[in-house]
Amino acid sequence: EAQVTQNPRYLITVTGKKLTVTCSQNMNHEYMSWYRQDPGLGLRQIYYSMNVEVTDKGDVPEGYKVSRKEKRNFPLILESPSPNQTSLYFCASSLRGQGDNSPLHFGNGTRLTVT
Amino acid sequence: AQKITQTQPGMFVQEKEAVTLDCTYDTSDPSYGLFWYKQPSSGEMIFLIYQGSYDQQNATEGRYSLNFQKARKSANLVISASQLGDSAMYFCAMRELLSGGYNKLIFGAGTRLAVHP
Repeated sequence: EAQVTQNPRYLITVTGKKLTVTCSQNMNHEYMSWYRQDPGLGLRQIYYSMNVEVTDKGDVPEGYKVSRKEKRNFPLILESPSPNQTSLYFCASSLRGQGDNSPLHFGNGTRLTVT
Repeated sequence: AQKITQTQPGMFVQEKEAVTLDCTYDTSDPSYGLFWYKQPSSGEMIFLIYQGSYDQQNATEGRYSLNFQKARKSANLVISASQLGDSAMYFCAMRELLSGGYNKLIFGAGTRLAVHP
């Protein structure tokens, strides 16, 4: 089944404790992206990646890191999480990202709470 | 800067009736794409429908149709014959073209739809 898989679904952590949210897609998509969803703000892009070793900042990259060492994987890293990073996170992918209209396919989301 | 506006935080509709969810956008790009996503209470994001800026006809997908009015910069989602399972948050999104030819989606704040029996 074609899908984007995120793990974990729920994560509660403490301020400053490094964490990684994994994302994997099995559709051979070139484009992958991370979004965070907060009430009243919709979804905002954190980082995106056009292909292996090609990543760039989105609208709210502060406090986050990403890597794209393999085409299928795009982990999101929080080196020192803070309470303002408490949010619902989505990984998404699409076939291409260059000026095309292919829809984003989303993972099921990761609800992160930082205390 | 490009922007998506959904002015209805919440909407109610009676089962089997049609409902329109509003979306307006602002862009100076001549080429753009508009998407609608559904987010049920379980949290996943489900792609519903797409409209390209050069498409001559309004997009339709089953009970979903997109009322695209280019001059007014609006892309309203119409759900016909509402079902209880349509209760969800709905997001309008626009493809924003970045430098280098890459693009990303920018999202509105969403509209929560409740379908009543």
